[in-house]
Amino acid sequence: DTEVTQTPKHLVMGMTNKKSLKCEQHMGHRAMYWYKQKAKKPPELMFVYSYEKLSINESVPSRFSPECPNSSLLNLHLHALQPEDSALYLCASSQGVQPKNIQYFGAGTRLSVL
Amino acid sequence: QQQVKQSPQSLIVQKGGISIINCAYENTAFDYFPWYQQFPGKGPALLIAIRPDVSEKKEGRFTISFNKSAKQFSLHIMDSQPGDSATYFCAASRGNAGNMLTFGGGTRLMVKP
Repeated sequence: DTEVTQTPKHLVMGMTNKKSLKCEQHMGHRAMYWYKQKAKKPPELMFVYSYEKLSINESVPSRFSPECPNSSLLNLHLHALQPEDSALYLCASSQGVQPKNIQYFGAGTRLSVL
Repeated sequence: QQQVKQSPQSLIVQKGGISIINCAYENTAFDYFPWYQQFPGKGPALLIAIRPDVSEKKEGRFTISFNKSAKQFSLHIMDSQPGDSATYFCAASRGNAGNMLTFGGGTRLMVKP
């Protein structure tokens, strides 16, 4: 099973709302990632967690707050987002953080900020 | 600064033809070069990958050619099929950077029946 499950599939929120995106994997992977993908663009890395600890933050605004409660679960908490934050948010996981480790992506959450 | 440049942005190929997508990189510290395939409404999925000590890797109809001195690599899809219609991303990562993928801009491939 190489599945990364993301919920919800679609999310519409206002600029004052607080919402969370959820990502789950049961492959025993110890590295998990959040990416942002705008239409017709490549994914852009936001955060990397390794062994449940945040190892990389690509200078992401504080209105995005990641959380890794356990090795199978990754959340992205959203607060006071801007319309330009509307995008597809992808979660990925890999065995570890060495380059040979394949990153498996979920189908993403399509976020619209009104 | 775009560290991985990909071309063309879009490609139309007849069924049975060869699709060729090219990428060039700048950072000589990159040591792993995967290609990802993304269908609409789905996340990217690894297609094939290569290390710089190998000049060519083939898996079924998909082949990566790698030219280390030119800092270029390419994906060839032989006998292209309509089911191959998707967006393809080349990527690169380096061993001391926590498996961070730097993606190329993507190529939208359409294979006509």
